[in-house]
Amino acid sequence: GESVGLHLPTLSVQEGDNSIINCAYSNSASDYFIWYKQESGKGPQFIIDIRSNMDKRQGQRVTVLLNKTVKHLSLQIAATQPGDSAVYFCAESFGNEKLTFGTGTRLTIIP
Amino acid sequence: DAGVIQSPRHEVTEMGQEVTLRCKPISGHNSLFWYRQTMMRGLELLIYFNNNVPIDDSGMPEDRFSAKMPNASFSTLKIQPSEPRDSAVYFCASSLEGRARQFFGPGTRLTVL
Repeated sequence: GESVGLHLPTLSVQEGDNSIINCAYSNSASDYFIWYKQESGKGPQFIIDIRSNMDKRQGQRVTVLLNKTVKHLSLQIAATQPGDSAVYFCAESFGNEKLTFGTGTRLTIIP
Repeated sequence: DAGVIQSPRHEVTEMGQEVTLRCKPISGHNSLFWYRQTMMRGLELLIYFNNNVPIDDSGMPEDRFSAKMPNASFSTLKIQPSEPRDSAVYFCASSLEGRARQFFGPGTRLTVL
């Protein structure tokens, strides 16, 4: 069946370093991808999104890369800060319908 | 500018009791989603509505779960009777029709004893 999966369930990064969170998706028809950040006790919060007609999109300290050839999505966070510690979810959608979420990666920033 | 509002934030109940979770979507949003999040299963979509009409309820676990959206500004998720395995955090999210980006509420943490 169709699924979205993350390669690594946990990731620890030194404060100030860059972090990369990876995500694999299996539905080649998906045309929209999104990253959410979920802090403890809160709901998922939008970080950045990208459509399938793009392969890169940048935000503030974050960059999303999309490789449709291998069905891979990544989130890069530059100069990580303690506030970046959270669980990060990727999700995919086709035709602006419902989102299918991955299992999440826990990012821990080491002071 | 209010986001998605959920109530209650925490609910503790005993097995067999009825539980009703409430959600107010962002004003102007046409789509509403109910999710359940657990450590074991992650974030699961239970049901979603477009323009107050249920579109996909294939994620609803069983007949004990029901959801309604009587108007554009209110939805409920009801569990009757509740069981300990229903313990989870339940999120409501909303989006503009035709837009995949969803805005999540703070969630309701449900504990069924």
